[in-house]
Amino acid sequence: EAQVTQNPRYLITVTGKKLTVTCSQNMNHEYMSWYRQDPGLGLRQIYYSMNVEVTDKGDVPEGYKVSRKEKRNFPLILESPSPNQTSLYFCASTQVQGNGYTFGSGTRLTVV
Amino acid sequence: DQQVKQNSPSLSVQEGRISILNCDYTNSMFDYFLWYKKYPAEGPTFLISISSIKDKNEDGRFTVFLNKSAKHLSLHIVPSQPGDSAVYFCAARRRYNAGGTSYGKLTFGQGTILTVHP
Repeated sequence: EAQVTQNPRYLITVTGKKLTVTCSQNMNHEYMSWYRQDPGLGLRQIYYSMNVEVTDKGDVPEGYKVSRKEKRNFPLILESPSPNQTSLYFCASTQVQGNGYTFGSGTRLTVV
Repeated sequence: DQQVKQNSPSLSVQEGRISILNCDYTNSMFDYFLWYKKYPAEGPTFLISISSIKDKNEDGRFTVFLNKSAKHLSLHIVPSQPGDSAVYFCAARRRYNAGGTSYGKLTFGQGTILTVHP
């Protein structure tokens, strides 16, 4: 089944403790992206990648890092999480940029 | 700077009637527009899209209209069904950034909660 898999689905952590949210897609898509969803703000792009070793900042990249060492994986790294990073995070991928993105099921992160 | 706006946080309609969801944008560089549907505890799923060179695209009960001069798009659902109850996001793609290289980023609106009553 074609899908984008994120882990974990839920995570509660403390301020400053480094964490990684994994994202993997099995569709051989070149383009991958991370979004966060917050009430009243919709989905905002954090980082995106157009291919292996090619990444760029989205609208809200502060406090996040990403890497794209393999085509299928695009982890999101929070080096020192803060409470304002409490949010619902989505990873997405597509073959043709901007067409019919496939989203993961989301990761709900709480930073206390 | 909210470049894509959905000004109605919620919409309630009766089953069988038409649902009209609206979206406005400000950036004339957007060349492709999409609608996504999201159920609770799931990721958004692609619904329908339209290129900036068209003014209408239809797929079954779903039709998207684009008015470029007004920088406005709308999603029509006819007839509405209770299973259509979800959050709907419009999104816009800007293919090239100011430097001329491929950008391919999707900018989303805030979302509209649609409730269809039986």
